[in-house]
Amino acid sequence: DARVTQTPRHKVTEMGQEVTMRCQPILGHNTVFWYRQTMMQGLELLAYFRNRAPLDDSGMPKDRFSAEMPDATLATLKIQPSEPRDSAVYFCASGLLRQTQYFGPGTRLLVL
Amino acid sequence: GIQVEQSPPDLILQEGANSTLRCNFSDSVNNLQWFHQNPWGQLINLFYIPSGTKQNGRLSATTVATERYSLLYISSSQTTDSGVYFCAVDQGAQKLVFGQGTRLTINP
Repeated sequence: DARVTQTPRHKVTEMGQEVTMRCQPILGHNTVFWYRQTMMQGLELLAYFRNRAPLDDSGMPKDRFSAEMPDATLATLKIQPSEPRDSAVYFCASGLLRQTQYFGPGTRLLVL
Repeated sequence: GIQVEQSPPDLILQEGANSTLRCNFSDSVNNLQWFHQNPWGQLINLFYIPSGTKQNGRLSATTVATERYSLLYISSSQTTDSGVYFCAVDQGAQKLVFGQGTRLTINP
């Protein structure tokens, strides 16, 4: 049963610390997405990659967020330095062009 | 950008009831997906339905792309159907834009 995996599932950190979230997409999917869910903004796209190349990161605060895909089996989202307003659930999703996007279980981040 | 509106925002029903959830979007789309977010936060795919009608068990969905809306039908509701239902659309770049969701509560 292929699925997207994310680590860690939960993260509590202090303001100013670096946070790294990892995602393993479904094998064979060539597009990987990072979404963020908050009560105020709902679900919003932060960045996405196709064939490991970044296509759009316009939804991401550039000064503190970075997203990379070092290989086809790993995507990372980093926040440095983290701030309390970054507290949210971060979802990774993967898919193929014009097909369903499959979401991982999310990383629940709390920045104190 | 495209606007996605879902209605109703909240729906409370008794077990066994049927329900219809609506998703309106403001522009033409290449893709529309329905998701169920369960009480544990997991986003579960229900339908990939840019047009037409699909059925999966007690759930079915219809998208009328020319009129810019989609409907999700849930029949014979069960308590496990509780959660938030999201509609999401993309206009060809695979960038999903989500509605605010419909929170469904099924009481036993």
